[in-house]
Amino acid sequence: QVQLQESGPGLVKPSQTLSLTCTVSGGAISSDVYYWSWIRQAPEKGLEWIGYAYYSGHTYYNPSLTGRLTISVDTSKNQFSLQLSSVTAADTAVYYCARERKYRLPGAPESFDIWGQGTMVTVSS
Amino acid sequence: EIVMTQSPGTLSVSPGERATLSCRASQSVSSDLAWYQQRPGQAPRLLIYGASTRATGVPARFSGSRSGTEFTLTISSLQSEDFAVYYCQQYNNWPRTFGQGTKVEIK
Repeated sequence: QVQLQESGPGLVKPSQTLSLTCTVSGGAISSDVYYWSWIRQAPEKGLEWIGYAYYSGHTYYNPSLTGRLTISVDTSKNQFSLQLSSVTAADTAVYYCARERKYRLPGAPESFDIWGQGTMVTVSS
Repeated sequence: EIVMTQSPGTLSVSPGERATLSCRASQSVSSDLAWYQQRPGQAPRLLIYGASTRATGVPARFSGSRSGTEFTLTISSLQSEDFAVYYCQQYNNWPRTFGQGTKVEIK
């Protein structure tokens, strides 16, 4: 079955760039069926959708983060990545990667059906 | 963006009792509404999509319904493993948005 795994530094200094990678196993990221998203959760807070990348390279970002955000796909490595620049303490969170079906099919789950376990990123000097 | 509002913030329920959680969308999302369960230290888990369809492996005690822009998640008889935080999320429009969560705690 498809599994997602986040990886990257757990500590980033203020004003620097946060970089994370999500590795997809058990399925091809190059499938045209899915969007590949990043979602974050600040400590003791709710969930915030960050943005997605599609296998073709098309992306869509949360307007609240546009300008600091880049999400990209590397089909050769079956990975997608997140880069968030000019980070502050407000970007401290658990970052999740997740899969969302683009095309609906009867009997197929919709929305974010598979999630990574999450990785904690702290922004601090 | 579409604002999702969940109520109550915390629900205290005894094991074996019914729990009813609410979610309201600020505008129509059709039935493009999902519910997730999040236990401490874990990633969210998809429970319900399409407002009322249970995801694979989700027990039948979980059910979802829709009335206009109001959505309900019902847990018919709470088990110990159901005490968690529950989030609703719309996937009708971009950006995807979540409710703030309802914590179901042991009474």
